[in-house]
Amino acid sequence: AQSVAQPEDQVNVAEGNPLTVKCTYSVSGNPYLFWYVQYPNRGLQFLLKYITGDNLVKGSYGFEAEFNKSQTSFHLKKPSALVSDSALYFCAATNNDMRFGAGTRLTVKP
Amino acid sequence: GAGVSQSPSNKVTEKGKDVELRCDPISGHTALYWYRQRLGQGLEFLIYFQGNSAPDKSGLPSDRFSAERTGESVSTLTIQRTQQEDSAVYLCASSPNAGAGQETQYFGPGTRLLVL
Repeated sequence: AQSVAQPEDQVNVAEGNPLTVKCTYSVSGNPYLFWYVQYPNRGLQFLLKYITGDNLVKGSYGFEAEFNKSQTSFHLKKPSALVSDSALYFCAATNNDMRFGAGTRLTVKP
Repeated sequence: GAGVSQSPSNKVTEKGKDVELRCDPISGHTALYWYRQRLGQGLEFLIYFQGNSAPDKSGLPSDRFSAERTGESVSTLTIQRTQQEDSAVYLCASSPNAGAGQETQYFGPGTRLLVL
């Protein structure tokens, strides 16, 4: 069965430090990969996606994600975290059907 | 332009009642998705519409759940004989075309359903 795993329920980082939110996928073929962010009391917003080409994808708000085919991973990264980055982050993968991970709650402390 | 809208934003109902949730996708978007998000959990795929094709209902959890969409416009998700376990946020998303589900999805704000 196709699935997306986000192994960490919670990630805590200090403001100014780099952050990583992990995602691995089990989807046949060459899936498209996405990251969405959900701020408190707001809907999901698209952050970035990987289709093909360069393994490092840059998205909104200074976020980037690295596609690693051999490890079937698509980790979300940011060089310097902001308190305002605190939110729920979802990884998603699709070949025919979109599958979302369970989400990772990122907390950035001042 | 206008994004995806959903109504009502909140719904409280009694166990056993039927509820109907509405989604207005972005104009021109041919694909429409429904998801369920239980408290503290991820998104659970429910159903997917693409134009006039038969919908993908593979995610519907039981026969109490059904959804309709007229052409490429409004969709309604109906839950019959609601149970407390149905309490969740129901999210709708649309995308410009199906592209085998590979297009970016634009999400509505969700309907928060509470079954007492």
